[in-house]
Amino acid sequence: NAGVTQTPKFQVLKTGQSMTLQCAQDMNHEYMSWYRQDPGMGLRLIHYSVGAGITDQGEVPNGYNVSRSTTEDFPLRLLSAAPSQTSVYFCASSYSGDTLVNSPLHFGNGTRLTVT
Amino acid sequence: AQSVTQLDSQVPVFEEAPVELRCNYSSSVSVYLFWYVQYPNQGLQLLLKYLSGSTLVKGINGFEAEFNKSQTSFHLRKPSVHISDTAEYFCAVSDGTSYGKLTFGQGTILTVHP
Repeated sequence: NAGVTQTPKFQVLKTGQSMTLQCAQDMNHEYMSWYRQDPGMGLRLIHYSVGAGITDQGEVPNGYNVSRSTTEDFPLRLLSAAPSQTSVYFCASSYSGDTLVNSPLHFGNGTRLTVT
Repeated sequence: AQSVTQLDSQVPVFEEAPVELRCNYSSSVSVYLFWYVQYPNQGLQLLLKYLSGSTLVKGINGFEAEFNKSQTSFHLRKPSVHISDTAEYFCAVSDGTSYGKLTFGQGTILTVHP
């Protein structure tokens, strides 16, 4: 039972480079989301998806793109990395896209990204 | 709009002592409140949640929290902590709308000393 799997665990990028953070879940969850975690700021929602083919912006979407072609995968793309995107990124999923109230978020172990 | 404020960024405590981690929220509609825990180098796990009913909510690992609507608070407590409780704790709120999104607080680092 893998749950939510994020790859890579660590990544260093130079300013302007692009990369994709991978997220996969094997729980048949409808809802998937990306958060970034910065010291003293908690977790902030970047993008989320309520099902295959449906995505929407969260609190801090600028500089990030997402797509949801399958139920299992929800990659996060950085098109041109900036030092302000240095952070720890978490993917989270939930069984029911209807509400998070009765369906808690399941988190991956995170990707630590440094942009120099 | 909803927001969450965790009043302490760090809480040091000795083993077997009681602890309280404070959380205040603001929301213009009904709220659903959560506490998540993050152990070092891991993702977050749900500790407990308040949806409705009894204002005292019990969670895993001996933690409990009390919903106080008049004080707009949802403080987390444990009567006797262990070294293994050392972690970062996040309070979160949802307004429960369809495809609702969680708003997280800034986090409180609990360090339990022997």
